[in-house]
Amino acid sequence: GIQVEQSPPDLILQEGANSTLRCNFSDSVNNLQWFHQNPWGQLINLFYIPSGTKQNGRLSATTVATERYSLLYISSSQTTDSGVYFCAVLSYNTDKLIFGTGTRLQVFP
Amino acid sequence: DAGVTQSPTHLIKTRGQHVTLRCSPISGHKSVSWYQQVLGQGPQFIFQYYEKEERGRGNFPDRFSARQFPNYSSELNVNALLLGDSALYLCASSSGYNSPLHFGNGTRLTVT
Repeated sequence: GIQVEQSPPDLILQEGANSTLRCNFSDSVNNLQWFHQNPWGQLINLFYIPSGTKQNGRLSATTVATERYSLLYISSSQTTDSGVYFCAVLSYNTDKLIFGTGTRLQVFP
Repeated sequence: DAGVTQSPTHLIKTRGQHVTLRCSPISGHKSVSWYQQVLGQGPQFIFQYYEKEERGRGNFPDRFSARQFPNYSSELNVNALLLGDSALYLCASSSGYNSPLHFGNGTRLTVT
């Protein structure tokens, strides 16, 4: 089955710093989403981005489907950005969303 | 508009018991999926239902079953609970294939 790997596994930032999270996947996909899971377990949909670039405030994402990776950019990080960031993909040959290994982000004041 | 709602929020059960978890999708969404998230790991796919039919099943034992009702709400049932079933159970809804998934807040199940 499709493999989804994220890097880095852990990231510690000071408030105001920028960061880039990466998601690599091993097969062609037709659905890719980025989620933020907050410390209370809520899984919040950030981007639906099977290809191209999208921006939402301080966050932006880019997916290069032909090279099988996606990037999530966080600018001017805030303490509320802390949590685990997951990318998840749906391959052409399956109907289940496969989650990556996650990046745990901690932002300190 | 209400998001995906799940009930109960927390549940404590004893080994061998049975549990039913409930999910109401976003209004207009016909697809419901269930995921299990064990502490420290990403969510794992259990089931997907679309228009009341099972469209996908993950690698879970037959103790896990689900169904979708005419109003598109869904139930996840787990029989003969094991300690290893302790997890956060997440429900997600979408408007259809290749549409973004939206998750509920989950049901945290503890099996003692």
